[in-house]
Amino acid sequence: DSGVTQTPKHLITATGQRVTLRCSPRSGDLSVYWYQQSLDQGLQFLIQYYNGEERAKGNILERFSAQQFPDLHSELNLSSLELGDSALYFCASSTGLAADTQYFGPGTRLTVL
Amino acid sequence: AQTVTQSQPEMSVQEAETVTLSCTYDTSESDYYLFWYKQPPSRQMILVIRQEAYKQQNATENRFSVNFQKAAKSFSLKISDSQLGDAAMYFCAYRSGDYGGSQGNLIFGKGTKLSVKP
Repeated sequence: DSGVTQTPKHLITATGQRVTLRCSPRSGDLSVYWYQQSLDQGLQFLIQYYNGEERAKGNILERFSAQQFPDLHSELNLSSLELGDSALYFCASSTGLAADTQYFGPGTRLTVL
Repeated sequence: AQTVTQSQPEMSVQEAETVTLSCTYDTSESDYYLFWYKQPPSRQMILVIRQEAYKQQNATENRFSVNFQKAAKSFSLKISDSQLGDAAMYFCAYRSGDYGGSQGNLIFGKGTKLSVKP
């Protein structure tokens, strides 16, 4: 158990819908990262937050957004869902910015029908 | 941009034997970190081992060790005394050590699926 929690574990929804994935980092960790794992694209970085502020963006679609709250949990919002958004979404956390190992949550499996 | 390449989509090893998984990377940076993550069928991403580029000594964690060749940009993982529980996807990952303006995210290879035969 990495100490990073993600809810829900599984999510099944329809095209055009909007969903929210939640992540709670390890106790004391200030950085949260979101990754997408799909068969086509492999593991890709989406976005990073550090202590409530957006720090870096990767290959995140405009239909996707995220935020980190004062209690440091983070949410990833996916809207206007398409079939191709079906993937495993991971959250990872680390203590800070510098030289820290990222610990991954168990992931949320999103299926768009 | 940095890239990570794992050229072996699948590997197989006999239980109790040794296997080496290959990883090469491309970067123009001098300060970076390399990782191996394991993803068993449960899909959990588990850190196996980490290597700082500035350290010449190869990292070791119990039965897992790396062969880090900085000039060749190679970072292979050796698993000794393979166990059935080692069966998983293994991902090599790179992270920049420069936080002046670049990202702290991980860049992953496409993975190597390791099977362990009893």
